[in-house]
Amino acid sequence: EAGVAQSPRYKIIEKRQSVAFWCNPISGHATLYWYQQILGQGPKLLIQFQNNGVVDDSQLPKDRFSAERLKGVDSTLKIQPAKLEDSAVYLCASTLLVGSGILAKNIQYFGAGTRLSVL
Amino acid sequence: SQQGEEDPQALSIQEGENATMNCSYKTSINNLQWYRQNSGRGLVHLILIRSNEREKHSGRLRVTLDTSKKSSSLLITASRAADTASYFCATASPTDSWGKLQFGAGTQVVVTP
Repeated sequence: EAGVAQSPRYKIIEKRQSVAFWCNPISGHATLYWYQQILGQGPKLLIQFQNNGVVDDSQLPKDRFSAERLKGVDSTLKIQPAKLEDSAVYLCASTLLVGSGILAKNIQYFGAGTRLSVL
Repeated sequence: SQQGEEDPQALSIQEGENATMNCSYKTSINNLQWYRQNSGRGLVHLILIRSNEREKHSGRLRVTLDTSKKSSSLLITASRAADTASYFCATASPTDSWGKLQFGAGTQVVVTP
């Protein structure tokens, strides 16, 4: 079974430039997440999709970040314009939700991430 | 804000020793999960423990959960150099139906040969 694919692996840009990240989840996983992980911290959820609909984007800085998941499969995350504080690793994860409540099995499978440096 | 807080922030041990790290959280949960992250890689799921369970084992891993204290611990027995990684706890809330997890800041473990 192929894992979560992300590209590029590394990106260096100058502030005020734009950048896009791509994610292809595990086949059949309806739920897709984008996280931002700053060095030394845990992943912070930016946006969550269920198929091609947004479930949660409460922590997405919408003035500069956007994301889409057309056709409910792969997804892109864009930053425009980038700021210095956007330097981080951007992780994509997917899951196949099984069950509900206490019996829910919501194990997330992560890609290797894209390391973004904004200069 | 992050739901889970791991303790210690960093841990350095020798091969063969046991490594124990703790996670405290603030609100009720459906389950708590532990993930490992090797340097420069994504997170890998290790183990899931439900709120009605108290202990789970998987190979050299032992996880406990105390919902009255809102805390969990991860024990790695007979550690190996390959266990060097950051370990994160993540909680799933009963108020969320979409599988969202809140991650802690992690414990960085270094195992020296």
